[in-house]
Amino acid sequence: GIQVEQSPPDLILQEGANSTLRCNFSDSVNNLQWFHQNPWGQLINLFYIPSWTKQNGRLSATTVATERYSLLYISSSQTTDSGVYFCAVESKVSGANNLFFGTGTRLTVIP
Amino acid sequence: DAGITQSPRHKVTETGTPVTLRCHQTENHRYMYWYRQDPGHGLRLIHYSYGVKDTDKGEVSDGYSVSRSKTEDFLLTLESATSSQTSVYFCAMRQGNTEAFFGQGTRLTVV
Repeated sequence: GIQVEQSPPDLILQEGANSTLRCNFSDSVNNLQWFHQNPWGQLINLFYIPSWTKQNGRLSATTVATERYSLLYISSSQTTDSGVYFCAVESKVSGANNLFFGTGTRLTVIP
Repeated sequence: DAGITQSPRHKVTETGTPVTLRCHQTENHRYMYWYRQDPGHGLRLIHYSYGVKDTDKGEVSDGYSVSRSKTEDFLLTLESATSSQTSVYFCAMRQGNTEAFFGQGTRLTVV
């Protein structure tokens, strides 16, 4: 199946700093999604982004499908941004719109 | 809230007993999924459904079965629970080639 790799695995930031999280995938995809898992375990959909760039407040994401990667930008980080960020891809050859997840980037924002 | 709930939220069970987890959605979404989350593995797909009574295996389906008799309910059964099935289980739904929404998760401990 498709391989999804995220980097870095762990990231510690001072509040107010910016960061970039990366997601690489091994095959062509129909779409890509970014999720945030908060410290209580809830998974929240941040972006549905098959290609190009989207922005939502301090967060933005860019997917370059032809080069098989996506980037999640967090600006002016806040302690509430802490948690684990996952990217998930839907392979062009998968069934039923299945999503395959990377192992995540654990972000800790220090006050 | 995205209209998807899981029950129970926590369960402790003994090795060898059957266990059923329930996922209920109120959005009339076609696709539903069961994932398990373990440290170092991200989320891995157990089973999925693409309609009532239409289900198929994911990448880690051994020891699990599912049923979907109504659009709104997707049940995951551990036929004979083992310690390796101690995990956090997430249910998700999608309408099609769109965003996925997740339930709150069920923490299962097999002793």
